[in-house]
Amino acid sequence: EAGVAQSPRYKIIEKRQSVAFWCNPISGHATLYWYQQILGQGPKLLIQFQNNGVVDDSQLPKDRFSAERLKGVDSTLKIQPAKLEDSAVYLCASSLQQPPGQGIGTGELFFGEGSRLTVL
Amino acid sequence: AQSVTQLDSHVSVSEGTPVLLRCNYSSSYSPSLFWYVQHPNKGLQLLLKYTSAATLVKGINGFEAEFKKSETSFHLTKPSAHMSDAAEYFCVVSPDNYGQNFVFGPGTRLSVLP
Repeated sequence: EAGVAQSPRYKIIEKRQSVAFWCNPISGHATLYWYQQILGQGPKLLIQFQNNGVVDDSQLPKDRFSAERLKGVDSTLKIQPAKLEDSAVYLCASSLQQPPGQGIGTGELFFGEGSRLTVL
Repeated sequence: AQSVTQLDSHVSVSEGTPVLLRCNYSSSYSPSLFWYVQHPNKGLQLLLKYTSAATLVKGINGFEAEFKKSETSFHLTKPSAHMSDAAEYFCVVSPDNYGQNFVFGPGTRLSVLP
């Protein structure tokens, strides 16, 4: 089966510019995650979707970051305006998780290869 | 709240010698625990997972991990390191099997010397 697809793989922008990243999860995966991985650190959750609804966006800097998953399939993460500290790899992951009571998923996250952002 | 501590930021071993990557967790629930591996410029890949079944979990590429509740640990081991094992390893905790709140540790970089 096809894995999680992300684009672009690399992006270089000037600070205060905008950027958008796209993710297409594995077919049938209800849950989609965006993580930010700063060099030398573990991934940090930005936002989690269950189908087309937001489950957790508590760590998303909402003044500059936005994300959507309009049809419950692919998703876009946008940064506007970008800051130097946004330089990181943005990882998209998906899983089979269903809401509690609707069946147990595998507990496994499947990751894309990431989108590396450099802000100058 | 959950948290993960990986006690070593960098581990260096010689090829053919054992590997030990340490992980301690804090969780208010009976957690699920995972180890993921990240090779350079690649996405993260699941090595193994513990979800309240057997406490000794076997994963891919000869890796295994033991869940010790009394020590709140989930250390990753491999009897004999291979050059291809050089990568970044992340310990991950989740409070249940429903995919909520995956929390990643800071990672341990494994170097394998010839």
